Amino acid sequence: GQNIDQPTEMTATEGAIVQINCTYQTSGFNGLFWYQQHAGEAPTFLSYNVLDGLEEKGRFSSFLSRSKGYSYLLLKELQMKDSASYLCAVRDSNYQLIWGAGTKLIIKP
Amino acid sequence: ETGVTQTPRHLVMGMTNKKSLKCEQHLGHNAMYWYKQSAKKPLELMFVYSLEERVENNSVPSRFSPECPNSSHLFLHLHTLQPEDSALYLCASSPQPEGSGNTIYFGEGSWLTVV
Repeated sequence: GQNIDQPTEMTATEGAIVQINCTYQTSGFNGLFWYQQHAGEAPTFLSYNVLDGLEEKGRFSSFLSRSKGYSYLLLKELQMKDSASYLCAVRDSNYQLIWGAGTKLIIKP
Repeated sequence: ETGVTQTPRHLVMGMTNKKSLKCEQHLGHNAMYWYKQSAKKPLELMFVYSLEERVENNSVPSRFSPECPNSSHLFLHLHTLQPEDSALYLCASSPQPEGSGNTIYFGEGSWLTVV
């Protein structure tokens, strides 16, 4: 079966750095997405990786290793507004999006 | 504002009621989706429409009935639901249904409670 694993919950301190990991086992690979979802709001697109390596967008970076079936989302200079759930999703060989259950990130002052 | 608008935001219905969820996208996309989001579970894809034609139905019970009258509007008709159907229902759109870099844009969801 197809599976996306990410931690259920993480806690970090304002101003610090946090890394949210995502491992996947899918039938084929056509890209990996990270979305942010604040409580009661729509998931919003953060990043897309299809080739190995690091993609940087301001305070957020996303890394992919296709050989390891592994990605992480790195959040720097954490702010209270970064408290949200972070969803990892992989597009498989049929272009279906397979979703993880999300990681709830709690930021403490 | 994500460009995808859902109404109502909250709905409480009895198991014998009939109600509908509405979604409208202002992004000029060709594909629209219904997802179900339950607490601590992955998003579940329910239906996919491409240019108003249903291209995917992921074994969803017949008590959920989608309708796509045009490429900007999507409905989810609900009847004789069960309490376990209580969840957040997310509408989404994308430029096309396939393509590796095809980004999906979500609405803010409709919270459904079945009593």
